[in-house]
Amino acid sequence: GENVEQHPSTLSVQEGDSAVIKCTYSDSASNYFPWYKQELGKRPQLIIDIRSNVGEKKDQRIAVTLNKTAKHFSLHITETQPEDSAVYFCAVSKGNNDMRFGAGTRLTVKP
Amino acid sequence: DTAVSQTPKYLVTQMGNDKSIKCEQNLGHDTMYWYKQDSKKFLKIMFSYNNKELIINETVPNRFSPKSPDKAHLNLHINSLELGDSAVYFCASSHISGEQFFGPGTRLTVL
Repeated sequence: GENVEQHPSTLSVQEGDSAVIKCTYSDSASNYFPWYKQELGKRPQLIIDIRSNVGEKKDQRIAVTLNKTAKHFSLHITETQPEDSAVYFCAVSKGNNDMRFGAGTRLTVKP
Repeated sequence: DTAVSQTPKYLVTQMGNDKSIKCEQNLGHDTMYWYKQDSKKFLKIMFSYNNKELIINETVPNRFSPKSPDKAHLNLHINSLELGDSAVYFCASSHISGEQFFGPGTRLTVL
């Protein structure tokens, strides 16, 4: 089955700095790569996603890059703010019902 | 206008008891899921249903039995609860290969 590895497990940055979280996957047939944000005590919510026919996608301060050859994709958050503090999950799917999540990264943005 | 709802939000029970968690979505999605999130925040898929049919059944003890009476509902019944079942259980729904929308979660505590 699909194996998704996410790094780092914890990340602490100063407000205004950038944060980068990376995920690698094993199944080359995977074609959908979402990122979810989970605030403390809340449900995971999609923040950005990318499909395999695209190399990069950006939405304001958030961007995702995908390298299909190397089977990895990354989340980039620029100009971080305290409200960006949360657990971030990458996920991988082959376009079916089966979505596999990374282990999560706890991001702390220090004011 | 809650998209994905779960009841109850909290469930505290004794070992050996049987309990159920209900999930409903009003998004018109054809696929629904159950995830277990343990104390380390790892999100693990348990089951996936597409149009009321079981698609994914991960390595989950057969004490866990999902039931989908219709496309909008996916309930989870757990028999003979054990201490290790304590976790947050999330229901989710999606169109196939699309963004997953999560419910608010049910925090299950087994004493």
